[in-house]
Amino acid sequence: DAMVIQNPRYQVTQFGKPVTLSCSQTLNHNVMYWYQQKSSQAPKLLFHYYDKDFNNEADTPDNFQSRRPNTSFCFLDIRSPGLGDAAMYLCATSRGGLDTEAFFGQGTRLTVV
Amino acid sequence: GIQVEQSPPDLILQEGANSTLRCNFSDSVNNLQWFHQNPWGQLINLFYIPSGTKQNGRLSATTVATERYSLLYISSSQTTDSGVYFCAGGEDGGGADGLTFGKGTHLIIQP
Repeated sequence: DAMVIQNPRYQVTQFGKPVTLSCSQTLNHNVMYWYQQKSSQAPKLLFHYYDKDFNNEADTPDNFQSRRPNTSFCFLDIRSPGLGDAAMYLCATSRGGLDTEAFFGQGTRLTVV
Repeated sequence: GIQVEQSPPDLILQEGANSTLRCNFSDSVNNLQWFHQNPWGQLINLFYIPSGTKQNGRLSATTVATERYSLLYISSSQTTDSGVYFCAGGEDGGGADGLTFGKGTHLIIQP
């Protein structure tokens, strides 16, 4: 039944060790987003893909990268995680065009040790 | 980009009470959603409501787009309604630019 699936649910990584979070969708939506949510804060958009077109938010650190090899999958790569990157990472999709409703996955909670 | 303000930031109510949560936007939005974040962190869609009024059980929402605000009503609150409620808006009617979230309303329903 799950429509936007994120793996893993919990990820522990070492300071400076590259880590990849994954997101898949069964909705066949055109747009996939990655948001970062730190403790007790609002989710903040990092970047999104509209089909294969990548759109980076101006204040997203260079340490964060993304890949979308096909319609169903999108990855978030953190090249050198710092302690400040510990957060919940939320993937979302939307159909795009005039249908703008966004659907979120369960999130991946990242801990940096 | 747009600014989203939610009020109140915190709300404590007794079970059975009604509540109104408000969301103000600094500019026109073409995409407006209300979410409930569950204890495990997932954002659950409540309403997609760029304008008008919708109802779903004990919850309803109204957006007055011309005045740049939206209201979420919760009637006959239950303890399971506790959590953080976010509203979020997007400027681009094409839905490609993502959502800007308010800081949320932390709702606690006491038995």
